[in-house]
Amino acid sequence: EVKLVESGGGLVQPGGSLRLSCAASGFIFSNYWMHWVRQAPGKGLVRVSHINVDGSTTSYADSVKGRFTISRDNAENTLYLQMNSLRAEDTAMYYCARAGLTAGGADYWGQGTLVTVS
Amino acid sequence: EIVLTQSPGTLSLSPGERATLSCRASQSVSSNHLAWFQQKPGQAPRLLIYGASSRASGIPDRFSGTGSGTDFTLTISRLEPEDFAVYFCQQYGSSLTFGGGTTVEIK
Repeated sequence: EVKLVESGGGLVQPGGSLRLSCAASGFIFSNYWMHWVRQAPGKGLVRVSHINVDGSTTSYADSVKGRFTISRDNAENTLYLQMNSLRAEDTAMYYCARAGLTAGGADYWGQGTLVTVS
Repeated sequence: EIVLTQSPGTLSLSPGERATLSCRASQSVSSNHLAWFQQKPGQAPRLLIYGASSRASGIPDRFSGTGSGTDFTLTISRLEPEDFAVYFCQQYGSSLTFGGGTTVEIK
């Protein structure tokens, strides 16, 4: 069974940092690109970042570029999102998702971890 | 960026009724790379449909997806109690974007 479990969310002050983790199981993690997607309260889903299978290629939404860093540890089957210089507008539920569909579409998602910047 | 607009925002129906949800794209979705998800409170989104019309593994056949280009539809033929949830669409033909969601609630 494919399982993605996020952790690391919480309450942080503006300007602070958090590191989110996503533990993957039930599939060969190193074979898949991965996404981080967020949903702010009352807003729609937005992809924040994605990463290729070996971490050599990454991409970021303009709103987080220069502040967030995506990475992965294939030996530990874990995806990360380092978030620095956090702002109130980064408050959201953060989901990791596997890019298991053709052309990188997300298929399996975690339950999310809540980040509150206040 | 392709903007996906879902309608209606909320659908109030009774168990056994048919639900029709719309997802309209601001430009044509490449290769019909359009997926539908179901999400319940506190749970991970679950993939229902990919490639506009292919059911994901384990998804009951009361769920069906149709459409191409810019107009896509998710139909639930007969609502079961467990189908009351939020549904959202995702296009993955050009980057990755999502619709705002439709809530299917019990009337």
